[in-house]
Amino acid sequence: QKEVEQDPGPLSVPEGAIVSLNCTYSNSAFQYFMWYRQYSRKGPELLMYTYSSGNKEDGRFTAQVDKSSKYISLFIRDSQPSDSATYLCAMSGGSQGNLIFGKGTKLSVKP
Amino acid sequence: GAGVSQSPSNKVTEKGKDVELRCDPISGHTALYWYRQSLGQGLEFLIYFQGNSAPDKSGLPSDRFSAERTGGSVSTLTIQRTQQEDSAVYLCASSPQPPPDTQYFGPGTRLTVL
Repeated sequence: QKEVEQDPGPLSVPEGAIVSLNCTYSNSAFQYFMWYRQYSRKGPELLMYTYSSGNKEDGRFTAQVDKSSKYISLFIRDSQPSDSATYLCAMSGGSQGNLIFGKGTKLSVKP
Repeated sequence: GAGVSQSPSNKVTEKGKDVELRCDPISGHTALYWYRQSLGQGLEFLIYFQGNSAPDKSGLPSDRFSAERTGGSVSTLTIQRTQQEDSAVYLCASSPQPPPDTQYFGPGTRLTVL
């Protein structure tokens, strides 16, 4: 079992839809959870950063962490064509330097 | 301010040649990371620097890979005797503080080994 599992998609939605992106993980030591957005041929860009369980909201984006289920989600409200990108979940155990990434979900928002 | 920069943006080389990839982190960031992104494989951790020392080299795939960081700033990733399976995008990230601080990524170097 991989440490982080993420459905690669592709996911295609109409403009204005609510998008739900998810990752599951196996390592209970993970405490820091991130979502990155990556446009084609660009580096990943940090969207959301959460510690431990709970919700965090930033504009149209909401990140949820459920440590008991080892499950994290990113919700995008009122999705826009500019949201079309690959979304990567990432997590770490704290003092461990590297991030463990999911493989990414490719999202396409159609006008 | 300026973000993480990497050079070259693209590199095409022949099998067996050595290549050097450069990363300029955000000014003042003490932590620096190298990752590799292969098609369908996601991002794979290679090495982490804190200042000029590398406390975690666990991700380097073979002894053909090495990296150094000088002056607590610029880092170079060197791949010797390149193989076709080394073809990937090599990404550098930096953080203001040691882990688990937020990592900011550069645009990457796309390496193609023919």
